[in-house]
This record gives sequence, structure tokens and C-alpha cells, in this order.
Amino acid sequence: SQQGEEDPQALSIQEGENATMNCSYKTSINNLQWYRQNSGRGLVHLILIRSNEREKHSGRLRVTLDTSKKSSSLLITASRAADTASYFCATGGSNYKLTFGKGTLLTVNP
Amino acid sequence: DSGVTQTPKHLITATGQRVTLRCSPRSGDLSVYWYQQSLDQGLQFLIQYYNGEERAKGNILERFSAQQFPDLHSELNLSSLELGDSALYFCASSLGTSGNTIYFGEGSWLTVV
Repeated sequence: SQQGEEDPQALSIQEGENATMNCSYKTSINNLQWYRQNSGRGLVHLILIRSNEREKHSGRLRVTLDTSKKSSSLLITASRAADTASYFCATGGSNYKLTFGKGTLLTVNP
Repeated sequence: DSGVTQTPKHLITATGQRVTLRCSPRSGDLSVYWYQQSLDQGLQFLIQYYNGEERAKGNILERFSAQQFPDLHSELNLSSLELGDSALYFCASSLGTSGNTIYFGEGSWLTVV
């Protein structure tokens, strides 16, 4: 069963626009990680945010975490065609595994 | 490049057969994870090893088994294969257990015909 649920399931934007993807989860977590997957390829780690953190930045990426609402968001600013991919959030709890959502398919049109 | 190496990249085999997928974790990582990605089930955690010992088990079928060797590489064995086992199998690694960044390999595409 999926712990994280991304929203929206699909997002289509123009190059240069910002893209925001949301993730909701059900149980308490130690950390939340965001990944990108190009079609049929491997998962690329983007950002890890710990439960005691509220916001993290990495280049054009900004991740927020609200543990009271059990939600996280991934913002990609000034998107590029190369950002076209599926984006997954994965929650890590007190056990050792990551639980993935179904992902958001982002399409950036040139 | 995540530093996690998986072989083979693609594999086509017949129902009833057995295959072995191999994974080399990133240098220094002690934990190895196996995940299965299929269209209907999404990304499913199968099993985790830490320094040679099994640490957590997920939705792994009894027909599947895994191990981590003293040199920390891992193998996932899939036997009595069925059509529904066709999927992308990922290996991932991390330095420790919970709380660390987990890095994924490029995956092994398994097609069962």
C-alpha cells in the first residue's frame, strides 16, 4: 500500500513556469525524500527533508514539509523541457524502508 | 550516476524459469534495498539488508529471495517466474538504515514471456 500520495497525478506547463507538486501521507515519518524518474529509467534522488525541518532548497528546487498536515510540496522554478519526468515522494519512518506514492507526471512544453 | 550498479539492464525469460539480478551498492554503503516497479502496483519495497543481514521485509513473494554478500553486493533471485513478475527491479543503497538518503540504480528490466 502507498503511504505518500502525490497530487496532481499529471501536470503540464510551459517552459519557464513554476511547477508545484504535493504529497500527502498518513503516518508519522522520520524523513521524506523526493525522486525524479525519466521514462523507464532509474530514480534520481532530489532532496531529503527531515521531520524537524520545514523547508529545504537545492538549486531550482524547493521542498516544504508540514508534519501537522502530513504533507510536503516540491516546487520547481523556471522549469525546463529537461524537467519532464515523473516525480515521487517517499516517506521514511522508524522502520527501514521508503514507501512511495504513485507519482506526478510533469510535462514541460518548450 | 548514483553509484549503484545493477546487472543485467534487460532480461527476457520464459515462465517457470529462474533469474538472478545483481547489485553493487555505492562505495561505503552498508544497506541494500530491492524494489519492484510495475504499472499496476507502482514502486513496492521488497527487502532490505544491512551489512549482510536481513533488516526488513516488504511485499516479497516466497518465490523470490535475496542475499547480501560479505563484499556487500546483493543478489535478488526470482524463481518459477510468472507473467506478472514482469517489472522493473531496482536496487538501492544507503550508508546506514533509516534516516539516510537512499540512492537507486538504473534498474533491471525483466520481461517474462
